[in-house]
Amino acid sequence: AQKVTQAQTEISVVEKEDVTLDCVYETRDTTYYLFWYKQPPSGELVFLIRRNSFDEQNEISGRYSWNFQKSTSSFNFTITASQVVDSAVYFCALSGGYGGATNKLIFGTGTLLAVQP
Amino acid sequence: DAGVTQSPTHLIKTRGQQVTLRCSPKSGHDTVSWYQQALGQGPQFIFQYYEEEERQRGNFPDRFSGHQFPNYSSELNVNALLLGDSALYLCASSLDRGVRAEAFFGQGTRLTVV
Repeated sequence: AQKVTQAQTEISVVEKEDVTLDCVYETRDTTYYLFWYKQPPSGELVFLIRRNSFDEQNEISGRYSWNFQKSTSSFNFTITASQVVDSAVYFCALSGGYGGATNKLIFGTGTLLAVQP
Repeated sequence: DAGVTQSPTHLIKTRGQQVTLRCSPKSGHDTVSWYQQALGQGPQFIFQYYEEEERQRGNFPDRFSGHQFPNYSSELNVNALLLGDSALYLCASSLDRGVRAEAFFGQGTRLTVV
């Protein structure tokens, strides 16, 4: 069965601090994709990044960086120099199964990030 | 280019009633998926429509049904509403339904059952 675990329910930081959001996944598939989405209070899920199971290169995009480690089934997300606008719920998600024929997403329970000014 | 649009944004229904939620996918997208997000939880997959047929279904009862129209728009119907159906319902569209397809989400419909 596929599963995504985000052990951190809530994180509170002060602006300009770095923060890392943890994500651990379970899957038996060899081909799968991992995603991070941001959900502001408006409710819409905003896509941040997608990684496939064959690409373990870390990625940096501005203040965002991602660390994918297959050996520990983790896909962690770091925000450097956090800003108040980063306050939101962040979801890690996994797609796979059915021989790669579906983009059905399995979401974690989310991490609420509060950045204080 | 309009993204995924959902209507209505908010809805209040009485237990036992029926509700229909609507979704227009992002331009060019042919696959629509529906998710239910209870308060404080991650979204849960309800089902996916492709070529006007339900192609995959999550662990939801038959009270939840849907439809996809020739223009790729979709409806989610929920019959015999229960208090536990209160949630944010999210629609996601994608260019196809393969594992790598990126899903674009709408702003959701917040359903409250009283």
